[in-house]
Amino acid sequence: EAQVTQNPRYLITVTGKKLTVTCSQNMNHEYMSWYRQDPGLGLRQIYYSMNVEVTDKGDVPEGYKVSRKEKRNFPLILESPSPNQTSLYFCASSFWGRDHREQYFGPGTRLTVT
Amino acid sequence: AQKITQTQPGMFVQEKEAVTLDCTYDTSDQSYGLFWYKQPSSGEMIFLIYQGSYDEQNATEGRYSLNFQKARKSANLVISASQLGDSAMYFCATAGGSNYKLTFGKGTLLTVNP
Repeated sequence: EAQVTQNPRYLITVTGKKLTVTCSQNMNHEYMSWYRQDPGLGLRQIYYSMNVEVTDKGDVPEGYKVSRKEKRNFPLILESPSPNQTSLYFCASSFWGRDHREQYFGPGTRLTVT
Repeated sequence: AQKITQTQPGMFVQEKEAVTLDCTYDTSDQSYGLFWYKQPSSGEMIFLIYQGSYDEQNATEGRYSLNFQKARKSANLVISASQLGDSAMYFCATAGGSNYKLTFGKGTLLTVNP
């Protein structure tokens, strides 16, 4: 079954305590990305990766880091979380063909930073 | 740059009836794709359907179809035979050319009444 998994699903943490949200896909997709969803602001892209060792900033990259050492994994790192990073985070994995495109999202991670 | 407009903040439909959710888009790309996602109250983003800008036929996936009118820049989602489980937020999104980032609309909250 085609899947994007994220862990943890829920996380409450304190300001400044480094955390990592993992993301893994089993579809052999080259393209992966991270979004955050906030009320009134919709979904915004944080970072994306076109392939292993190739990453770039999205619309709201400040305060986040990513890495892509393996094709299937794309973790999101918050080195020093702050309350304004409280949000619902989605990892996405995409197939971008000439005639067809698909983008699947993980189940989401609800992060609260106090 | 891309923009998605969903003008219906909320829609109501009776069970077993069809419903159309509106989406208009603006893009300067010659080649682009249109996506619809469902987000139930549990929070996950579920990929429903994709339409490529060069596809001559409207996309269909089970009870979902996409009414694509390129000249009017609209990509409405039609759900046939609504079910109670269709109650959710629905998002229209677009991505253009080689830019894999999805730009989302603000969503339409669909409520299916028994």
